[in-house]
Amino acid sequence: DIQLTQSPSFLSASVGDSVTITCRASQDILRYLAWYQQKPGKAPNLLIYAASTLQGGVPSRFSGSGSGTEFTLTISSLQPEDFASYYCQQVDSYPRVTFGQGTRLEIK
Amino acid sequence: QVQLEQSGAEVKKPGASVKVSCKVSGYTLSELSIHWVRQAPGKGLEWMGGLDREDDESIFAQKFQGRVTMTEDIATDTAYMQLSSLRSEDTAVYYCTTPETGTWYFDYWGQGTLVTVSS
Repeated sequence: DIQLTQSPSFLSASVGDSVTITCRASQDILRYLAWYQQKPGKAPNLLIYAASTLQGGVPSRFSGSGSGTEFTLTISSLQPEDFASYYCQQVDSYPRVTFGQGTRLEIK
Repeated sequence: QVQLEQSGAEVKKPGASVKVSCKVSGYTLSELSIHWVRQAPGKGLEWMGGLDREDDESIFAQKFQGRVTMTEDIATDTAYMQLSSLRSEDTAVYYCTTPETGTWYFDYWGQGTLVTVSS
């Protein structure tokens, strides 16, 4: 099975900061990677797919990059509503998919 | 626009089974591939399994092989996930989710069903 390792697990930042979360795959997954945002008590929400394509309605301060085994999610100019948990997901082996362990982004 | 409506919270004793439903609207169930993802309290997302619509075959994570069953009622556009031999570690919120037709990314999610396993 393809494993995904996210780092960091926890991130503390201030409104207006820029942050980057990394997701490393245990094997080449081309660009078959998505990023989700999850707020407490809510279902996850798809932000980015195919490594860098923004889902409709997602603000442009979110961006994704990478291919192969290393991927990043960058949030520029953090807004209060961005403080949440973030998960990467690989679909290279769809329908068998896996998620990273998550990154919790909190307000400093 | 796909909408997924899940059944309500459940409390089960260890060793019992639970069956969670996920009703589809906006599309017909036969057009979609329903997957199930769970999240234990304070933990991350864990993919349990899903339907490969190309083969109409359910695929499960190794961890749940033999304990999980995924079924569909096409007439009512409702998908079901049954987990048996419950233990306390199965306490979690269970989500149904699906990619939009033609993609592999989980665009649509149910609201989640809390299953609590406690003696």
